[in-house]
Amino acid sequence: QSVLTQPPSASGTPGQRVTISCSGSRSNIGTKTVTWYQQLPGTAPKLLIYTNDQRPSGVPDRFSGSKSGTSASLAISGLQSEDEADYYCAAWDASLNGVAFGGGTKLTVL
Amino acid sequence: QVQLVQSGPEVKKTGASVKVSCKASGYTFPSYGITWVRQAPGKGLEWMGWIATYNDKTNYAQKFQGRITMTTETATSTAYLELRSLTSDDTAVYYCATYRGTYSDHWFDPWGQGTLVAVSS
Repeated sequence: QSVLTQPPSASGTPGQRVTISCSGSRSNIGTKTVTWYQQLPGTAPKLLIYTNDQRPSGVPDRFSGSKSGTSASLAISGLQSEDEADYYCAAWDASLNGVAFGGGTKLTVL
Repeated sequence: QVQLVQSGPEVKKTGASVKVSCKASGYTFPSYGITWVRQAPGKGLEWMGWIATYNDKTNYAQKFQGRITMTTETATSTAYLELRSLTSDDTAVYYCATYRGTYSDHWFDPWGQGTLVAVSS
């Protein structure tokens, strides 16, 4: 059981806006920053969002992150077929004294 | 550009040990720490720990304490993960990645291609 909770699946049609939630607690998201990773099928994870809402160079601005209290969200606007992937949130957890990952959300583009 | 290349797949017997390597290029090795994350078949990501490459200080996930060792070899810009007393539950793809930032505000980028470790009896 992950300390960060994500919905196991999400879906949308091309062009739509989709959001993926990540729920935590004061020991992680409530006091630490959130990172998001994208894992395309059969590949290694890739950094998507860091420090809650920062995009690395090369990541399209269709991807955005936000955080409020003990929850965080990843939004994808103008959904494209190549966005079909697994998405993971992560944050330091003070209780674990380590990095916690969410269970992952499988995004399907219909 | 920063790149991490990992060693090839491994097949191990229950109770054995495995050592996976991760060779870095494109930057000064002590500039970034190295973290290890694994992914069991069909499952999510699991953080194993990290090592600060400038002083070899480690932080291991509680779950692996006592049977994990992370090391580095600065001369060859290579990081190593050793996991001992393997069971079938350790069958997974093991990834290395550079970690940036601090413990409270960190991110992993880029990642290696992954190394499959299969454990059977």
